[in-house]
Amino acid sequence: NAGVTQTPKFQVLKTGQSMTLQCAQDMNHNSMYWYRQDPGMGLRLIYYSASEGTTDKGEVPNGYNVSRLNKREFSLRLESAAPSQTSVYFCASKVSGSYEQYFGPGTRLTVT
Amino acid sequence: KNQVEQSPQSLIILEGKNCTLQCNYTVSPFSNLRWYKQDTGRGPVSLTIMTFSENTKSNGRYTATLDADTKQSSLHITASQLSDSASYICVVSALDTGRRALTFGSGTRLQVQP
Repeated sequence: NAGVTQTPKFQVLKTGQSMTLQCAQDMNHNSMYWYRQDPGMGLRLIYYSASEGTTDKGEVPNGYNVSRLNKREFSLRLESAAPSQTSVYFCASKVSGSYEQYFGPGTRLTVT
Repeated sequence: KNQVEQSPQSLIILEGKNCTLQCNYTVSPFSNLRWYKQDTGRGPVSLTIMTFSENTKSNGRYTATLDADTKQSSLHITASQLSDSASYICVVSALDTGRRALTFGSGTRLQVQP
């Protein structure tokens, strides 16, 4: 039981490049989330998916797209990376009706 | 605007000592408050979750308190260990719009020295 896994762990992009961050969970959770964490700030919600087939915007969705590929996987795509997207990205999941969110280990992204 | 403020921003203590971290929030209507521990380079891990009716909750050497009237919470760490060195994040959830309504504090960075 790996919990929540994220790939890659580190990535460096040039401005304008695109990439997809992958997230998978093996806990049979319905809800999945993408957050970003910046120095001196709390985690901020980018997008979430309450269940397979649904996605909704969070607090800071601009510049990102998501896909809930199936119940296990929730990917985050940067179509044209900008230096302002330099951050640590965390995926999380939870079971419906529970308060508890389980976080992945994070992806550290640098955009130059 | 919903806000969560944590203090201090950082703290250094000696191994074996106790410490208390503070969290003040303005989130309304209140649903629950959580404390997470985040080791360097890792994702946050839940320590405690408290709802409106709970005013104290323990998890080993960690004890969280909640005063919903003053909108304050504290996390007390007893007999600190080197492994307690981490960031501690206070997270408050609002009622009803729970999917969107988690407000994260910026954390207290704790360093435990031998």
